[in-house]
Amino acid sequence: SQTIHQWPATLVQPVGSPLSLECTVEGTSNPNLYWYRQAAGRGLQLLFYSVGIGQISSEVPQNLSASRPQDRQFILSSKKLLLSDSGFYLCASRRESATYEAFFGQGTRLTVV
Amino acid sequence: SQQGEEDPQALSIQEGENATMNCSYKTSINNLQWYRQNSGRGLVHLILIRSNEREKHSGRLRVTLDTSKKSSSLLITASRAADTASYFCATDTPRSNTGKLIFGQGTTLQVKP
Repeated sequence: SQTIHQWPATLVQPVGSPLSLECTVEGTSNPNLYWYRQAAGRGLQLLFYSVGIGQISSEVPQNLSASRPQDRQFILSSKKLLLSDSGFYLCASRRESATYEAFFGQGTRLTVV
Repeated sequence: SQQGEEDPQALSIQEGENATMNCSYKTSINNLQWYRQNSGRGLVHLILIRSNEREKHSGRLRVTLDTSKKSSSLLITASRAADTASYFCATDTPRSNTGKLIFGQGTTLQVKP
């Protein structure tokens, strides 16, 4: 099985500051990688996904960007955070075939103040 | 957009009782998966049911899938306090190599000891 390392666990950032959340994957190669955001008490909204190094697809227009500089590394960034960027961010990994389940990191609780 | 919708949004039962959660979706699917999320944590995969399957069991979990009604149910039998968590269904679409999983809003289950 895969292990997803995601850090930091919690983050409090002022409005207008930059953001960098990192996710690394162990136990597989060439995974599909995903960033989700979860509002309090709600479901998961897919923000970005990547099927390979340097390949990023955005699902919703927003203040955030993603990058995949290495096969098992996925980074979520922002140049200037907004209050609305607050939320619980989850990184997920899935082997290419749709018959496989997704593995999730433990999430980052981001509060923009 | 959110594909799956869970029902009920919240469920409170006594230990030993059965818990049933339902999920509806809108488009055709490859498979449907159920995940569990403890408060403030990442999601953990519970069970996957393929579009050509109607029922699947795993321990105290029973999942059904009705593709004609575009719905699925998750039954947890003989519930325990440790089953307290949020439960999400997730679907992905055929003919896609992205492996994107679209999650519902979730059902929050409380099992009282």
